[in-house]
Formats: sequence, structure tokens, C-alpha cells
Amino acid sequence: AQTVTQSQPEMSVQEAETVTLSCTYDTSENNYYLFWYKQPPSRQMILVIRQEAYKQQNATENRFSVNFQKAAKSFSLKISDSQLGDTAMYFCAFMKGGGGADGLTFGKGTHLIIQP
Amino acid sequence: NAGVTQTPKFRILKIGQSMTLQCTQDMNHNYMYWYRQDPGMGLKLIYYSVGAGITDKGEVPNGYNVSRSTTEDFPLRLELAAPSQTSVYFCASSYLPRRAGIQETQYFGPGTRLLVL
Repeated sequence: AQTVTQSQPEMSVQEAETVTLSCTYDTSENNYYLFWYKQPPSRQMILVIRQEAYKQQNATENRFSVNFQKAAKSFSLKISDSQLGDTAMYFCAFMKGGGGADGLTFGKGTHLIIQP
Repeated sequence: NAGVTQTPKFRILKIGQSMTLQCTQDMNHNYMYWYRQDPGMGLKLIYYSVGAGITDKGEVPNGYNVSRSTTEDFPLRLELAAPSQTSVYFCASSYLPRRAGIQETQYFGPGTRLLVL
């Protein structure tokens, strides 16, 4: 079974600063996918970014980028030029590859607060 | 496209009552999932389905049942509600292309908040 650990229950930064959220995972799989989801107060789960384990290049989506360290089983999310709208819960999630219908395994989340 | 829709948004149940949480997707996705999110926790998988007529258990299936008679709908049934089932329930869907080894992203509905008293 897989486990996902987010060691920062809450973080707070000033608007326009850069912030990094940590995530580590444990798996014996070699083919898998990693995701960061954002959950604002509306509770909607919104995909922020995804990373395929077979890709060495780190994924980026505008102000969001990841630092994927496969050997260390680490998958951190960096948010640049943070904005008030980035305030939300952020969940790291793991999914096995191979074409099966496995669900996502989530961490407990990090509550990110962007201060004006 | 409406994406993934869930009804109701909020419901209060008494212990022992039953109810069905509805989930519909209009993206022609073959895979569908039910998760629950307890306070201060991430989501946990209850059941999933790879297509009409096929369902399977996830991590926390006890107390729930599902069915999948069409591609679009994946209802979740609570037969005897218990306080431990107080949670927020999310439905999600994804599409697995014919190419093996490629897994698409899961798209989530807005959630149903359930309170069992």
C-alpha cells in the first residue's frame, strides 16, 4: 500500500512571496503519478499540477512548479508570486500507473494562508 | 459540459436512516470513484467503477453500496446511517484511453456534506 505524508499542517506567507509545500510518499511501485490538488473554502477539489514518475523533467503550470525527487520519494510544490486567491488547503496525492482503476491516495493536507 | 455533478449539497440524517448520494458526469468517462473526507484529513476511496455494471471496493467500503447501470451515473447508497459516516463525500471521474499505461486525471464533483445525528 502507498502512503503520502505532508508534514506541514499550516503555512502562512505574505502576498507575492514564494512558498514551498512539502510532500513525501512511500511506494514499491515504479510506474505512478503524483498530483497536487487545491481545495478552497468552497470544498471543490481543483487539480493544480501532475507529474508522471517516468518523466525526469519537473512539471510546471504558470506560477506552480514541482520538485520531483524520485529516489528520495519527494514531491514538493512551489508557488511563485503568491496571490490571495491561493489561500486554500493543498493535498498531495499518489496514483499507481499501469492502466488500472486505482483511486488516489491523499496526504492530510497543508493549509496555506496568503496574507495581504 | 457540466462536468461532475452531485446532489444533494447537504443533508442531515438520523441514525439508522438510509439515503442515496447521486453523482452524474457528462464527459463520457469510463472510470468513476467515491471518496469521503473527514475533518482535517485527506480523501479516502470508498468504491470505484471501471464501467457500467462493474464496481469494486476501495479502502473504506463498509456501510456503503454502489451500482453503475449507465456510464453517466454512479450513486452511493448508505443503508443504516451511523455517526461515523458524518463526512463530506466526493465523486470523481476519469477517462482511461485505449493506450495502456496512460492514466488520466480525476475530475471531482463539488461534494455532498452529510451529517448523521
